[in-house]
Amino acid sequence: DIQMTQSPSSLSASVGDRVTITCRASQGIRSYLAWYQQKPGKVPNLLIYAASTLQSGVPSRFSGSGSGTDFTLTISSLQPEDVATYYCQDYSTGLRTFGQGTRVEI
Amino acid sequence: EVQLVESGGALVQPGGSLRLSCVASGFTFSNYWMSWVRQAPGKGLEWVANIKEDGSAEHYVDSAKGRFTISRDNAKNSLYLQMDSLRAEDTAVYYCGREWPIDYWGQGTLVTVSS
Repeated sequence: DIQMTQSPSSLSASVGDRVTITCRASQGIRSYLAWYQQKPGKVPNLLIYAASTLQSGVPSRFSGSGSGTDFTLTISSLQPEDVATYYCQDYSTGLRTFGQGTRVEI
Repeated sequence: EVQLVESGGALVQPGGSLRLSCVASGFTFSNYWMSWVRQAPGKGLEWVANIKEDGSAEHYVDSAKGRFTISRDNAKNSLYLQMDSLRAEDTAVYYCGREWPIDYWGQGTLVTVSS
């Protein structure tokens, strides 16, 4: 089975900072990678799919890149409302493994 | 408007069974894979199982194999998760989601396994 490893597990940054979260797959998954945001007490929300395609309604400060085994989620200018835990997910096979999450604080 | 509404969560004893339901509306249910995802208290997301549009294929996380069964009734726009031989570590909020990837999520239903 494919394992998804995110880093870091948590980070603290200032408003306006550029924030980068990485996700590594244990084997190649082409571009079948999604990123989700989960704010405290809320349901997860799809941010990016196909590694780099922004879901409708998601602010353009979010972007994704990568293919194969290494992927990145970037927040170009961190905002207070971006405080959340972010998860990557592989959907290259029938199994849909999540990374362990990255908590972003300000 | 797409809506997913879960139900069936409850307090159950270890070794017991529970059936979760998810009713979908606002889209053509039979055109989509559907998933169950869970989140234990204070923990991350864990994908549990999914099922193909016509129910002809299913996949499970290892910890659910042999104990959980995912199914669907496209005539009723409904997704189900039959959970047997429940363990304390199955305690979580269970979400249903439209795939793939999961672009719509339900609000979740809480399953607590405890004596």
